[in-house]
Amino acid sequence: DTGVSQDPRHKITKRGQNVTFRCDPISEHNRLYWYRQTLGQGPEFLTYFQNEAQLEKSRLLSDRFSAERPKGSFSTLEIQRTEQGDSAMYLCASSSSGPTSYEQYFGPGTRLTVT
Amino acid sequence: GESVGLHLPTLSVQEGDNSIINCAYSNSASDYFIWYKQESGKGPQFIIDIRSNMDKRQGQRVTVLLNKTVKHLSLQIAATQPGDSAVYFCAEDPGAGSYQLTFGKGTKLSVIP
Repeated sequence: DTGVSQDPRHKITKRGQNVTFRCDPISEHNRLYWYRQTLGQGPEFLTYFQNEAQLEKSRLLSDRFSAERPKGSFSTLEIQRTEQGDSAMYLCASSSSGPTSYEQYFGPGTRLTVT
Repeated sequence: GESVGLHLPTLSVQEGDNSIINCAYSNSASDYFIWYKQESGKGPQFIIDIRSNMDKRQGQRVTVLLNKTVKHLSLQIAATQPGDSAVYFCAEDPGAGSYQLTFGKGTKLSVIP
């Protein structure tokens, strides 16, 4: 499968714990995006990388959230001191920087449940 | 608040009929619009896109129409099939070097066999 992959697919954690999610983009894509989706809503943009540089961050990305893409390939999203309001689906997407750069391809998501 | 929204939260159509899903947007400067399909338990799947300098684009069984005058976007699915059952989102890209897609809430399409 050469699509976007995410790990884990599901995560249940207790409030106050830290969690980390991983995203592996399509190999030839140099742009990587993180979104959050709550039930019944559309995805909300969190942050975007071009190669290893984090170029855009949403105001939704509080200081408890941090994302990295150290080698310009896979990315991690860490949430510290999780809160119940963090429960959501965390989606990763990737795109090229060429003529079809607007086509963002999404992974299956990581569903986080904070108890 | 959201700058992209949908007129109808649910839509039921008979198999074989055509489906029309509507979307309103408020940012007149948006440069690019995309329709995504999301099946249960999966991430959004790219369907079709349209640039702001176009008013119509056709794909395989799908057509997107853009009316910039009234800031309205629609997705037409021809000969709707059971596999088309999903939630459909429109999204807009503000352009100007930003890749921050803004999604609407989605329309759930149910196909009746």
